[in-house]
Amino acid sequence: AQKVTQAQTEISVVEKEDVTLDCVYETRDTTYYLFWYKQPPSGELVFLIRRNSFDEQNEISGRYSWNFQKSTSSFNFTITASQVVDSAVYFCALITAGNKLTFGGGTRVLVKP
Amino acid sequence: DAGVIQSPRHEVTEMGQEVTLRCKPISGHNSLFWYRQTMMRGLELLIYFNNNVPIDDSGMPEDRFSAKMPNASFSTLKIQPSEPRDSAVYFCASSLAPRAYNEQFFGPGTRLTVL
Repeated sequence: AQKVTQAQTEISVVEKEDVTLDCVYETRDTTYYLFWYKQPPSGELVFLIRRNSFDEQNEISGRYSWNFQKSTSSFNFTITASQVVDSAVYFCALITAGNKLTFGGGTRVLVKP
Repeated sequence: DAGVIQSPRHEVTEMGQEVTLRCKPISGHNSLFWYRQTMMRGLELLIYFNNNVPIDDSGMPEDRFSAKMPNASFSTLKIQPSEPRDSAVYFCASSLAPRAYNEQFFGPGTRLTVL
């Protein structure tokens, strides 16, 4: 069985602060992919990033960065210099063979002006 | 590309009525997924299709739920009869196969309220 845990249910920050979202996963498969999705107040789910289990290189995209550590089964997400538009629920997800995407419970980020 | 299209966006119905949700995947995608999102249970996979064939329906809650994909560009999720506990947001997503790990692109969702 596979599982994704996002221990932080809600994070509140003031604009321009950095915020890090934690994601811990469990799987017995050696080949898997990890994802982050954003769900803004409008409700749609927006794909942010995909990372495979063999690539532990961290990634930066603008104000977003991701830290994948296989040794701790974590795939954390940092928003640097947060903005009000970053307010959303962020989901970490895991997919293994069989094409079934397992989502974490989500972390609600509230960025106050 | 228009993205994944779902209809209706909102549905309000009374208990016992039949509800049909519709989805048009991204053109060229051959995997289609139906998810349900609730506060209590989060995002749950209900069923997914590969090349129009249902591959895994283990997430379908009970026999009142059924899903079909008659062709590559259309799928339906039907609830008959509907119950108040079915109230949720239902998402459809599509991806490219046979690469099983491709990202899934989600539709805007259908918010279902069963009174």
